[in-house]
Amino acid sequence: IAGITQAPTSQILAAGRRMTLRCTQDMRHNAMYWYRQDLGLGLRLIHYSNTAGTTGKGEVPDGYSVSRANTDDFPLTLASAVPSQTSVYFCASSEDGGATDTQYFGPGTRLTVL
Amino acid sequence: GQNIDQPTEMTATEGAIVQINCTYQTSGFNGLFWYQQHAGEAPTFLSYNVLDGLEEKGRFSSFLSRSKGYSYLLLKELQMKDSASYLCAVRDSNYQLIWGAGTKLIIKP
Repeated sequence: IAGITQAPTSQILAAGRRMTLRCTQDMRHNAMYWYRQDLGLGLRLIHYSNTAGTTGKGEVPDGYSVSRANTDDFPLTLASAVPSQTSVYFCASSEDGGATDTQYFGPGTRLTVL
Repeated sequence: GQNIDQPTEMTATEGAIVQINCTYQTSGFNGLFWYQQHAGEAPTFLSYNVLDGLEEKGRFSSFLSRSKGYSYLLLKELQMKDSASYLCAVRDSNYQLIWGAGTKLIIKP
């Protein structure tokens, strides 16, 4: 079944540890995104990639890094986790990032940093 | 700054009609999206408006007024499965989506 997968589903992490959240899509979409969702706030864009080999910073990029080596994969890395990074993380993809583009979301990763 | 406002929570009765409003102030406008998100799940796409007027899709309709910076999502013949959060998002001049905090809709029998 076509779509977006994320791993892990949930994770509890000690502060200071490094963590990579994985995201894979099989829809051959050019654009991919990472959001975080916190209670009472809208989804906030962390990083995005309009095509393989390129990435850009969103609204809240500090403490996170991404890479886009190929079309399908878009991992998000927390170099040294802090408690404020406790959140639900959603990966999304869209055809080309254009004006009429619709974003499709993965199931999310629930991350707790202690 | 950029801002999307929607009510935090609404309650409606099964079989009734409910209207969820969204007002926005963004740097540029390249369309407005509505998504549905059930608790613990991913957002799923409902509708897209870029021109003024009403877009109807089954029990769901979405309206846009660009001059007023206003949209609403209309849900008819409410079912218990419609209990969810409804997210309004605007694509800005940089083609990024700016999201509202969502409206939690509670359906009562």
